[in-house]
Amino acid sequence: QSALTQPPSASGSPGQSVAISCTGTSSDVGAYNFVSWYQQHPGKVPKLIIFEVSKRPSGVPDRFSGSKSGNTASLTISGLQAEDEADYYCSSYAGSNNLGVFGTGTKVTVL
Amino acid sequence: EVLLVESGGGLVQPGGSLRLSCAASGFTFSSYALAWVRQAPGKGLEWVSSISGSGDITFYADSVKGRFTISRDNSKNTLYLQMNTLRAEDTAIYYCAKDFTNGRLVVYVPYWGQGTLVTVPS
Repeated sequence: QSALTQPPSASGSPGQSVAISCTGTSSDVGAYNFVSWYQQHPGKVPKLIIFEVSKRPSGVPDRFSGSKSGNTASLTISGLQAEDEADYYCSSYAGSNNLGVFGTGTKVTVL
Repeated sequence: EVLLVESGGGLVQPGGSLRLSCAASGFTFSSYALAWVRQAPGKGLEWVSSISGSGDITFYADSVKGRFTISRDNSKNTLYLQMNTLRAEDTAIYYCAKDFTNGRLVVYVPYWGQGTLVTVPS
């Protein structure tokens, strides 16, 4: 399984919105609605912020939203805040006989 | 509260072996698939291996297949990763991971351990 493709970086000013893409194939992102997103601050453990394409675990602000179209999933952070500056990784299920696959990661900078 | 505590990391020479452990608590251990996810220094996340709750179904990344073995002892609430023929590219923090639901494979990771660092010098 090849890693899902994400842009290396994204940025926005406080209050703005930023969108991160996650491109896979018809065998992973395009085949299943089992896409998730993780936020990781430097030196910290990753945190699940989106699962099943667009669902948020309890406690995750609704500023974070997810969507999918074809082989590409997206994470949108609305009303960007300083604490949103972190690395973000997508992940997708790839079938019942395969491990999942992570994205290459995107560093979000709050200007 | 779900708690996952890894141990067993350290410095090992190329070609050597290491066994990682993950002690779990706060849930019915045998009912849940578990996984190992690793992160090389300054790099992204990588699924390494996953095992079903009963231990009879396992999955491996191509990069570790034939060298790593995942196992679990449901009587001790402990997950293991036996790593053999270690290479420099195996250097990473290894995280123990648990899903929300009790499927045969970990799909999402709402629960992470703190990780244990494995270093294999080049």
